[in-house]
Amino acid sequence: AQKVTQAQTEISVVEKEDVTLDCVYETRDTTYYLFWYKQPPSGELVFLIRRNSFDEQNEISGRYSWNFQKSTSSFNFTITASQVVDSAVYFCALSEQSGANSKLTFGKGITLSVRP
Amino acid sequence: KAGVTQTPRYLIKTRGQQVTLSCSPISGHRSVSWYQQTPGQGLQFLFEYFSETQRNKGNFPGRFSGRQFSNSRSEMNVSTLELGDSALYLCASSSRDPGTQYFGPGTRLTVL
Repeated sequence: AQKVTQAQTEISVVEKEDVTLDCVYETRDTTYYLFWYKQPPSGELVFLIRRNSFDEQNEISGRYSWNFQKSTSSFNFTITASQVVDSAVYFCALSEQSGANSKLTFGKGITLSVRP
Repeated sequence: KAGVTQTPRYLIKTRGQQVTLSCSPISGHRSVSWYQQTPGQGLQFLFEYFSETQRNKGNFPGRFSGRQFSNSRSEMNVSTLELGDSALYLCASSSRDPGTQYFGPGTRLTVL
């Protein structure tokens, strides 16, 4: 069975600090996809990134960067120079691609608070 | 393109009633998935529909059901509501297999 663990539940930082959100996953599949979503107070899950199991290249998008390491089954997310608008709940998710299965398994989420 | 839309946004029901939630996917997306979000259990997968067929189902009782129409719009129904069904119900659509799921704003259901 697949599982996603986000051990951090709440993180509070001051604006402009860098912050890393951890994600550890478990799966028996060799082909899978990892995702990060952001959920602001409005409730809608906003897609941030998708990474497949064959692509271990790190990715940077503006202030956001992701570090995927299959050796440690981790897919961590770093926000550089955090801003108040980054305050939200962040979810890591896993999708095993067995046939047409696109079910997402989510971690419990990390509540990030960025203080001015 | 317009995003995923869900109606209604808020619902208040009493125990024993039934409820129907609606989801319109992004234009061109044929897969629609439903998730339940509660403070205790987090985000849990309910079911997925593709081309009007249920393709995958989570571990929820039979009171939870859904369907998909030929235009890819989907509805989910919960019968005999229980207090524990109070949750945010999120719908997501994707365009291909495997596809990134894009979520709607959710329907917040309160059962009294």
